[in-house]
Amino acid sequence: SSELTQDPAVSVALGQTVRITCQGDSLRSYYASWYQQKPGQAPVLVIYGKNNRPSGIPDRFSGSSSGNTASLTITGAQAEDEADYYCNSRDSSGNHLGVFGGGTKLTVL
Amino acid sequence: QVQLQQWGAGLLKPSETLSLTCAVYGGSFSGYYWSWIRQPPGKGLEWIGEINHSGSTNYNPSLKSRVTISVDTSKNQFSLKLSSVTAADTAVYYCARAEEYSSSHGRHAYWFDPWGQGTLVTVSS
Repeated sequence: SSELTQDPAVSVALGQTVRITCQGDSLRSYYASWYQQKPGQAPVLVIYGKNNRPSGIPDRFSGSSSGNTASLTITGAQAEDEADYYCNSRDSSGNHLGVFGGGTKLTVL
Repeated sequence: QVQLQQWGAGLLKPSETLSLTCAVYGGSFSGYYWSWIRQPPGKGLEWIGEINHSGSTNYNPSLKSRVTISVDTSKNQFSLKLSSVTAADTAVYYCARAEEYSSSHGRHAYWFDPWGQGTLVTVSS
């Protein structure tokens, strides 16, 4: 089982705003990083740290954290944002292990 | 721009040892964790483990008894070995560079970028 919990599926109307959440004890100490994965492709980092976007990631992607919950927000979702999204951090054991959330399937309607 | 290119055998029989290598092009090898992550068909991502340039490793406890990650800094490569594979080890295996930021007064950060292209490893008799 994952130490990071995500909703399995979320949907959003084209052009609207959607929030994908990730919960876990480790998120009190670590910012979540977020990855977008489209079918047949490797995951791509979209958010890391407090709210940082790698080069090439559109500014409609943003991240936030509060307590044990991290959120990825897509403001003005586009058809090409339909994908699986995973959060990640170190685990809560203090043993420097990595952990991923179970993933959220985003459908853009 | 750093790129990772991975290779290794894609079809194994039960009890054999999985062996994959990842080459790092275009960037420094030190200061990062070099990681392996896998994804069974239709399922989510699972962290396997990591190694830094000096050879210090961290492994997923569920795989620790079967996993070895090693590094060859002279070639800017790192490798994964997973012994005694079963059908449950069938997955796409990714290599990735992990970076970690430790804060003295706030949250830390840990992320993977870039990723290799992935290698499908199938275990079947």
